[in-house]
Amino acid sequence: QVHLQESGPGLVKPSETLSLTCSVSGYSISSGYYWGWIRQAPGKGLEWIGSIFHSGSTSYNPSLESRVTISLDTSKNQFSLKLSSVTAADTAVYSCAAYSGSYRPFDYWGQGTLVIVSS
Amino acid sequence: EIVMTQSPAILSVSPGERATLSCRASQSVSSNLAWYQQKPGQAPRLLMYAASTRATGIPARFSGSGSGTEFTLTISSLQSEDFAVYYCQQYNNWPLYTFGQGTKLEI
Repeated sequence: QVHLQESGPGLVKPSETLSLTCSVSGYSISSGYYWGWIRQAPGKGLEWIGSIFHSGSTSYNPSLESRVTISLDTSKNQFSLKLSSVTAADTAVYSCAAYSGSYRPFDYWGQGTLVIVSS
Repeated sequence: EIVMTQSPAILSVSPGERATLSCRASQSVSSNLAWYQQKPGQAPRLLMYAASTRATGIPARFSGSGSGTEFTLTISSLQSEDFAVYYCQQYNNWPLYTFGQGTKLEI
């Protein structure tokens, strides 16, 4: 069973970079699977941010691509999200998730962490 | 980008009754469509994939149908634990995923 847990600051100032980490247990991220980030603004639906594959290649939501970086840290069995130049519109619950192969939905989700963008 | 549209936004149903939720894609997604259930304060849970295949542990009262651009999630006899928000997601345009805006199923 794959278990995911998000961590990172709950408050980020406007124009700064949001940084979150997803710690994975029960599976080695370098062995396979695909890893992603999804967010949910207050009162809104789910928005896919991007994914990274066990090979390290990435894919991003075109609406966020210019500001997003997702990377792997295989030594710590973690992957991370960086979102630059944040505004209040980036306030959301950020969740990490995993899926087992191409053309698959997300099988596993973390609990999510609330990030507020405010000065 | 493939836009997913769910209807209705809110569905009010009594326990024991049937609920029918709809999801429409702006272009064909074949059968690459998933449904998730989300309860307050919890992570989404995968209910259905490939439009009509129940995920592990999902009760038989949940069923999915459709292909192309029109999809339906049916809950045959609502239990108290089924009242939640339901999202559809297309993964046909892998690796670019999109979700619907959700349907809130309320008592």
